[in-house]
Amino acid sequence: TQLLEQSPQFLSIQEGENLTVYCNSSSVFSSLQWYRQEPGEGPVLLVTVVTGGEVKKLKRLTFQFGDARKDSSLHITAAQPGDTGLYLCAGPVGSARQLTFGSGTQLTVLP
Amino acid sequence: DAGVTQSPTHLIKTRGQQVTLRCSPKSGHDTVSWYQQALGQGPQFIFQYYEEEERQRGNFPDRFSGHQFPNYSSELNVNALLLGDSALYLCASSLDFGYTFGSGTRLTVV
Repeated sequence: TQLLEQSPQFLSIQEGENLTVYCNSSSVFSSLQWYRQEPGEGPVLLVTVVTGGEVKKLKRLTFQFGDARKDSSLHITAAQPGDTGLYLCAGPVGSARQLTFGSGTQLTVLP
Repeated sequence: DAGVTQSPTHLIKTRGQQVTLRCSPKSGHDTVSWYQQALGQGPQFIFQYYEEEERQRGNFPDRFSGHQFPNYSSELNVNALLLGDSALYLCASSLDFGYTFGSGTRLTVV
């Protein structure tokens, strides 16, 4: 059973459209991270959210951490082809605080 | 400042063989974690090494083993390879839980 569930699994949109990706869990996390991964590369950290209700903005990307710290969302405004990639949410678990990942959202932005 | 370096980048092995993957952590990082990522899926935690000891292990069989050296670099060994072991193997180094990932080793088992 996946501790972090992401939806949708696949998303294909036209350039200029807006989109939201969701990351949900039945467990409380001390923090959640969002990564973007391109083919043949490792995940690259986009943001870490720590406080329940927190909203962080990174240019056209807006990240929100749920009040109960069990869910998070990533909203992209006016998507561009360069936003194409696999978006992953992850949170620390266990005594070693290793990261557990969601199954990912594969985003394709068509020109 | 070099990030996380993994070698080799690609590898093809035959079922039943053994493989060793290598990872050099980011400068200043003392902890190395290994992940297995199937195509289009999120990475799955294999194990984490700190101070040359395995600190935590995920749900992977004993065929998967590792080592960390005094310079913090690490190796992942997989014995008796199965077709299902084909995946991208990612190394992540960290210091105080801030993770940096390498580009991975693409392992294909035929």
